[in-house]
Amino acid sequence: AQKVTQAQTEISVVEKEDVTLDCVYETRDTTYYLFWYKQPPSGELVFLIRRNSFDEQNEISGRYSWNFQKSTSSFNFTITASQVVDSAVYFCALSLRSSNTGKLIFGQGTTLQVKP
Amino acid sequence: GAVVSQHPSRVICKSGTSVKIECRSLDFQATTMFWYRQFPKQSLMLMATSNEGSKATYEQGVEKDKFLINHASLTLSTLTVTSAHPEDSSFYICSARGYGAYEQYFGPGTRLTVT
Repeated sequence: AQKVTQAQTEISVVEKEDVTLDCVYETRDTTYYLFWYKQPPSGELVFLIRRNSFDEQNEISGRYSWNFQKSTSSFNFTITASQVVDSAVYFCALSLRSSNTGKLIFGQGTTLQVKP
Repeated sequence: GAVVSQHPSRVICKSGTSVKIECRSLDFQATTMFWYRQFPKQSLMLMATSNEGSKATYEQGVEKDKFLINHASLTLSTLTVTSAHPEDSSFYICSARGYGAYEQYFGPGTRLTVT
């Protein structure tokens, strides 16, 4: 069975601190895709990144970086120098290549609060 | 690019009435659309998957006759909540996926309140 676990329910940091959101996934498929989405208080999910299972290169986009490690089945997300606007719920998700619809399996989400 | 709209953003209806929610992909053709339901402080729960021109595939436990989904074109899917009851009050979110794409792009959501 496929599963995504975001063990951190809520994280609170002070602005300018670095913060890492953890994501651990389970699947027996060899080809899969991992995603991170941001859901601000307005409610709309914003796509942040997709990573393919065969590409373990880490990625950096501005203050955001992602660390994908197949050996530990983890796809962690780090925000450097956090800002108040980063306050949101962040979801990690998994999709299998074998799924012809691209169905997403979501984690429970991590609520990040960045205080000024 | 990859913009998905939803209408209405908020709706209040009386118990026993039906409500239709529209989901549109504005700048791409969506071969697959998804409907989710989200309860406060919880993750998204997939209700159904629809492909253009075919019947929707519902997740286990989702009543097909209560949540009618139509995917009439490559840019439009609708969710109709029939004979709504207060327990149907929730945040409904749609997403769309283009041909050959892996990402889903989400609409802004619809807050349904049944009184």
